[in-house]
Amino acid sequence: DVKVTQSSRYLVKRTGEKVFLECVQDMDHENMFWYRQDPGLGLRLIYFSYDVKMKEKGDIPEGYSVSREKKERFSLILESASTNQTSMYLCASSSGLSGVYGYTFGSGTRLTVV
Amino acid sequence: SQELEQSPQSLIVQEGKNLTINCTSSKTLYGLYWYKQKYGEGLIFLMMLQKGGEEKSHEKITAKLDEKKQQSSLHITASQPSHAGIYLCGADINAGKSTFGDGTTLTVKP
Repeated sequence: DVKVTQSSRYLVKRTGEKVFLECVQDMDHENMFWYRQDPGLGLRLIYFSYDVKMKEKGDIPEGYSVSREKKERFSLILESASTNQTSMYLCASSSGLSGVYGYTFGSGTRLTVV
Repeated sequence: SQELEQSPQSLIVQEGKNLTINCTSSKTLYGLYWYKQKYGEGLIFLMMLQKGGEEKSHEKITAKLDEKKQQSSLHITASQPSHAGIYLCGADINAGKSTFGDGTTLTVKP
């Protein structure tokens, strides 16, 4: 089975801290994605990557950055965490240029910024 | 998501009843996926539909994509408490990434 592993299920951080959310997939997928999920707003794409060292902004990239040094790992970075970044963060991966084969999601990281 | 309209937003049904969730787009969908999410967890892939008129079933869940490839429905027969959760549709509208509906929260009362 394809696995997408997110390093933490729950995380509590203080305002202003630098936060790293890690995501690792084990199926050699080219594409990786970071979403945040908030009640009433659905899934919103933060950043995505088609290949190592490549990254593209999604719909809400402000306040975030990403790193993809290796194909299997896609990290989301909150440079200076703020309370409005409290959310559920979901990582996903897919194969193929258009993601037409569907996404495999990680279990999510629920981040609380206090 | 404005590109994918999902309805209803929430649904409460009695155990054993059938139900349908809809997902509609104004654009042609090149791949339509259904996911299920338990509260506080990630999304689990259920089914993918690509061809107009396609229908797939898994256990008591059936998903269909209309001929125009703009609307999909997810039908659950004889619902059980284990079916409870959030159902999301996702689709390839823009090259390279998917967009998602806002989800339908299903509650099944025993």
